[in-house]
Amino acid sequence: DADVTQTPRNRITKTGKRIMLECSQTKGHDRMYWYRQDPGLGLRLIYYSFDVKDINKGEISDGYSVSRQAQAKFSLSLESAIPNQTALYFCATSARDRGSYEQYFGPGTRLTVT
Amino acid sequence: GESVGLHLPTLSVQEGDNSIINCAYSNSASDYFIWYKQESGKGPQFIIDIRSNMDKRQGQRVTVLLNKTVKHLSLQIAATQPGDSAVYFCAESANYGQNFVFGPGTRLSVLP
Repeated sequence: DADVTQTPRNRITKTGKRIMLECSQTKGHDRMYWYRQDPGLGLRLIYYSFDVKDINKGEISDGYSVSRQAQAKFSLSLESAIPNQTALYFCATSARDRGSYEQYFGPGTRLTVT
Repeated sequence: GESVGLHLPTLSVQEGDNSIINCAYSNSASDYFIWYKQESGKGPQFIIDIRSNMDKRQGQRVTVLLNKTVKHLSLQIAATQPGDSAVYFCAESANYGQNFVFGPGTRLSVLP
């Protein structure tokens, strides 16, 4: 089974709708992240969390919110989706391991806002 | 699979040759760097990391070089194979791995 899972894998929604993307991990990591990826722009950080009570804004948090329901679960919400939020969204986890802060990424969710 | 990085810089190399992928980073305070590989339809995967107190680190078939003077990072892949075809990202952290800023990526295409 995959260590980091994301649901749904693909979603098409209409402008103004609320949508939630979910992420679960079985790695036991404290740190979880949400990124979006657009062609030619790499990955940009939306929000990150170092434990259940810790939520931090990233580079592009406007229009998004998150919830860390448990150590293993981190969800991303778009309260009122707009077309320029069409992108590939990735969840990632990390923990300090032998001096490395490698991030483990989920398979991604492709979101299309029409 | 997913389309990632439709307008990325592309590096084409012959199978068996060495590849060098470059990355200019932006923050002189960055203290930790990671190279990731992303294949079509998948999330990025860790390749190798390096701390700012080092200028070179080697892994299996890969070497990362760090030049802090000019804020430049490179990834060298020895004896490039078809399975190395992917998009490669560098990521920098100024808080030792708490969060990262990713570069735009380079697409590596391995020619038969």
